[in-house]
Amino acid sequence: GENVEQHPSTLSVQEGDSAVIKCTYSDSASNYFPWYKQELGKRPQLIIDIRSNVGEKKDQRIAVTLNKTAKHFSLHITETQPEDSAVYFCAASRSGGRRGSQGNLIFGKGTKLSVKP
Amino acid sequence: EAGVTQFPSHSVIEKGQTVTLRCDPISGHDNLYWYRRVMGKEIKFLLHFVKESKQDESGMPNNRFLAERTGGTYSTLKVQPAELEDSGVYFCASSRTGTEQYFGPGTRLTVT
Repeated sequence: GENVEQHPSTLSVQEGDSAVIKCTYSDSASNYFPWYKQELGKRPQLIIDIRSNVGEKKDQRIAVTLNKTAKHFSLHITETQPEDSAVYFCAASRSGGRRGSQGNLIFGKGTKLSVKP
Repeated sequence: EAGVTQFPSHSVIEKGQTVTLRCDPISGHDNLYWYRRVMGKEIKFLLHFVKESKQDESGMPNNRFLAERTGGTYSTLKVQPAELEDSGVYFCASSRTGTEQYFGPGTRLTVT
């Protein structure tokens, strides 16, 4: 079935360094790729997303890149801060696709990011 | 605007009992989704409502799970009878467009 692979499962960086999380999807019809941040005991929070007609999107210290040919997408966090510590989930979906599948997110297993002061 | 809310936040029940989870979506969001995360695994899709209609329930694990969204507002997810493997965190998400989804805090279900 359709799946999303996410790596690494854990990532530890020093404050100020960059962090990169990578995901690979299997469904070539996927066209929407959100990233969620989940802090301990809180809800998954949508932090950035990208659609298949765009190769890169940036919002302050976070950016996402998409390679449709290779079916890869990545999250980049620059100048990391301790408050960036959380579990990050990537996901893929066929937004606006055929009836019965619109918007259902397929998630990666998550990456636990630790930023050390 | 108020976010997605879920009730209860935690539930501990014995195998064979019934539990009902509730989700209140963001006002005006016609799309409502249920997901589940079993410990150590990824968040998995259960089903999708558009207003009161089930758009896709392909992720429902078996007929012990029943979801409803009467009136197209809040939704309930009932597990009857609960089994040990049903333990996990149940998330609800809502969306206005069917694309950006906003998640609730989840209900942690423990079946003993």
